[in-house]
Amino acid sequence: KAGVTQTPRYLIKTRGQQVTLSCSPISGHRSVSWYQQTPGQGLQFLFEYFSETQRNKGNFPGRFSGRQFSNSRSEMNVSTLELGDSALYLCASQQSSGNTIYFGEGSWLTVV
Amino acid sequence: EDQVTQSPEALRLQEGESSSLNCSYTVSGLRGLFWYRQDPGKGPEFLFTLYSAGEEKEKERLKATLTKKESFLHITAPKPEDSATYLCAVQHNDYKLSFGAGTTVTVRA
Repeated sequence: KAGVTQTPRYLIKTRGQQVTLSCSPISGHRSVSWYQQTPGQGLQFLFEYFSETQRNKGNFPGRFSGRQFSNSRSEMNVSTLELGDSALYLCASQQSSGNTIYFGEGSWLTVV
Repeated sequence: EDQVTQSPEALRLQEGESSSLNCSYTVSGLRGLFWYRQDPGKGPEFLFTLYSAGEEKEKERLKATLTKKESFLHITAPKPEDSATYLCAVQHNDYKLSFGAGTTVTVRA
C-alpha cells in the first residue's frame, strides 16, 4: 500500500515568488492536513481538509492557502514568499477521525 | 489554552539503559494521542495511537501509556538504532493536530 506522497521534495524559491506543493494521500483516506516544521517553532498545523472542505486552519497568514480535490489529493500554496517561510512542509492523511494519521516525507522549501 | 508539553527535551542513554519520555497535555477535547518517531530530514513515522485513559500499546522495545493528563513512552533496553526525535501529538475535537516540541533520544553503544 503506497504511503503519503509529496512533491516536489526539494525546491528553492526567491522572495516574492509563490509556490505550490502537492500531496497524494493514502488510497481511501479522505482527510488531508498540512504542517510547517522549522527548528525554532517545531511542527505547526496549517490546515485540514476533508472531502474537499476545509474543516480547520492554524494561525498562519492568508498567504498560506490550500485546497483538496475530489480524488482527495491536496495542494497548498504560499504566495509572496518570505525568508521565514523556509521550512519542511509536511502533509498527512487520515482515513477518518480518530484513525491513525500518516505523514509523507515532506517538501523542503528554501526561500532566498 | 490547549497545550502539549514533552519532557525532557533531550535524553542521552547507554545501550540497554531503559527510560521514559513524558507528554503532558491540556486540551478541551481529545480524539486521540499519537506518538511518532522522526529521523533527521524525514517525515514523522507513526508509532502508536491511544484513545482513552488506561490504554497501553507495545511495539518491540517501545511501550506507550495514556492517562487523562499525560502519556508516557517507555523505551526498554534501547539500541543505537532507537536514536531519533520522538514526537507526541494530540488531535482535538475540531480535527486540529497539536504537537509537542519533541524529545531527542541518543543511544550510545
